[in-house]
Amino acid sequence: DQQVKQNSPSLSVQEGRISILNCDYTNSMFDYFLWYKKYPAEGPTFLISISSIKDKNEDGRFTVFLNKSAKHLSLHIVPSQPGDSAVYFCAASAVRGGSNYKLTFGKGTLLTVNP
Amino acid sequence: GAVVSQHPSRVICKSGTSVKIECRSLDFQATTMFWYRQFPKKSLMLMATSNEGSKATYEQGVEKDKFLINHASLTLSTLTVTSAHPEDSSFYICSARLSGRALLRNEQFFGPGTRLTVL
Repeated sequence: DQQVKQNSPSLSVQEGRISILNCDYTNSMFDYFLWYKKYPAEGPTFLISISSIKDKNEDGRFTVFLNKSAKHLSLHIVPSQPGDSAVYFCAASAVRGGSNYKLTFGKGTLLTVNP
Repeated sequence: GAVVSQHPSRVICKSGTSVKIECRSLDFQATTMFWYRQFPKKSLMLMATSNEGSKATYEQGVEKDKFLINHASLTLSTLTVTSAHPEDSSFYICSARLSGRALLRNEQFFGPGTRLTVL
């Protein structure tokens, strides 16, 4: 049972435009969400996170939106740059649910930003 | 800040030998660290949760006698792959959770990974 889903395996956008990466979850106990960027043969790099008490968090070019009723979150990158090309993972955890802070990951979306 | 290192970055060993991988939080304390395994073109698979000063908690299907985890200090966790076999060849990644954060936050920072090849 896949509790965190990234239904788009890949996304291609033009440099300077907005990239929107989507993530859906099924476990209503999840209350903390994170986005990571990953290059091949490297560990994931933390980008941005959001708690379920918020519906938006912004950090520079990155904004994460959370829609709890739809169990959906998205990562917006604007403007997109060629250096943003990587695999993006959505992760979720049930902090208040006593999960010992374990993260559940989606399968990732490969973002390609074309010059 | 929030840098996690892993050593070695790459290791090749013979079947039947043991390999130790170190995970260090360089500029913060981490009471909780995690060990993951990534298969080619797959997502990260959590193997175990490592808590400082106590026994690790293993995920279902992960052999605790084969993958020994020690978290002796607030900045160091080690994963030892015992009696390694070719099927243990993989990319192993650790992460560390910032201690002292508000309970409702859960930022975790990952190491660069270790590529293990068992011949």
